[in-house]
Amino acid sequence: AQKITQTQPGMFVQEKEAVTLDCTYDTSDPSYGLFWYKQPSSGEMIFLIYQGSYDQQNATEGRYSLNFQKARKSANLVISASQLGDSAMYFCAMREGARGAQKLVFGQGTRLTINP
Amino acid sequence: GAGVSQSPSNKVTEKGKDVELRCDPISGHTALYWYRQSLGQGLEFLIYFQGNSAPDKSGLPSDRFSAERTGGSVSTLTIQRTQQEDSAVYLCASSLEVRALGGYTFGSGTRLTVV
Repeated sequence: AQKITQTQPGMFVQEKEAVTLDCTYDTSDPSYGLFWYKQPSSGEMIFLIYQGSYDQQNATEGRYSLNFQKARKSANLVISASQLGDSAMYFCAMREGARGAQKLVFGQGTRLTINP
Repeated sequence: GAGVSQSPSNKVTEKGKDVELRCDPISGHTALYWYRQSLGQGLEFLIYFQGNSAPDKSGLPSDRFSAERTGGSVSTLTIQRTQQEDSAVYLCASSLEVRALGGYTFGSGTRLTVV
């Protein structure tokens, strides 16, 4: 079974609009972490935001916020006021377990295109 | 170094040849991970090393793939008798063992093409 599911292969959004990228996850471990990474055409993986399973509040980092709905096992990324430079692949990932150094499991990604 | 360094950045090899890919993690990072990314796909976990513990090899796709980490630092991923389906970008990442909340730092990858 897929541990991380991203159902949107591609999205097209007008510049300055907000965009939500979907991510659902599957785990029976009570302790886990959820990550979002951005991969522009250059190929580098850029860390955007992190949410721990015990965090009470949704994580925010500048224009990025994570809409964490634990009961629904959902961790959607919200980008406010999108910019042309936001065009990239976006990956949701999960780390299971309480210890820091565990492997990340990635979803298939969503290709986001921002139109001027 | 300041970041995770991978070499070579590009490698073209003939089918059947062996290749070695190198990863230099961030100094002091005790955990090191290898991933494979085929064109347009997500990242597929291959193997990870954590301190002196036995590596988690659960993601290696076949016995043609192996990896080692010497002295708790540099890692080499070896692919023997390469096949065309091995063509992909191989990404390395490192993290601190204790605190990896956002601290998985990725290298720029090695693009492997098997012809």
